[in-house]
Amino acid sequence: QKEVEQNSGPLSVPEGAIASLNCTYSDRVSQSFFWYRQYSGKSPELIMSIYSNGDKEDGRFTAQLNKASQYVSLLIRDSQPSDSATYLCAVRGAGGSYIPTFGRGTSLIVHP
Amino acid sequence: DTGVSQDPRHKITKRGQNVTFRCDPISEHNRLYWYRQTLGQGPEFLTYFQNEAQLEKSRLLSDRFSAERPKGSFSTLEIQRTEQGDSAMYLCAYNEQFFGPGTRLTVL
Repeated sequence: QKEVEQNSGPLSVPEGAIASLNCTYSDRVSQSFFWYRQYSGKSPELIMSIYSNGDKEDGRFTAQLNKASQYVSLLIRDSQPSDSATYLCAVRGAGGSYIPTFGRGTSLIVHP
Repeated sequence: DTGVSQDPRHKITKRGQNVTFRCDPISEHNRLYWYRQTLGQGPEFLTYFQNEAQLEKSRLLSDRFSAERPKGSFSTLEIQRTEQGDSAMYLCAYNEQFFGPGTRLTVL
């Protein structure tokens, strides 16, 4: 059973701060990692994907992957109230499997 | 707007009835996924198509669930003899990027 673990939160940060969201996974051979943002009552939207160890930056978002430790994180710099949402981590395995496994998500609250 | 549409957006049905949901892309995409999501949980994988071929189906999915993707474009998900436990948001997604808005199913 592949597992993806996220702290459900809520994580509360002040506006302008860095929000750090973490995700651990159980399947050591996982190859693809995704972060999604989901506003209440809406469907998930893809923020970033990462496939190699290290950091990947896109605007205010940075994804960090450490396969040896089996964790992936998402940093949001200069957090804005509009970033308040649930952030979902998804992990996809190797060997031709295209099935992502999602964590339950972390609720982020950015307060003014 | 991802360009993916789902119909209907909301469905209320009585226990034991059959329901069918549809998912449409604007343009062709290779992989199509169906997920089910309940409050406070992440999306749960139901089934996956590559073009018109249904390649994988969740072991959690009972025989009451069936999905099709004729001609490799739009897809339908049917639930037969609905149960109250089927109440959830049903999401389709193309590749990993484009989620539809979802169909919220309520089984009374």
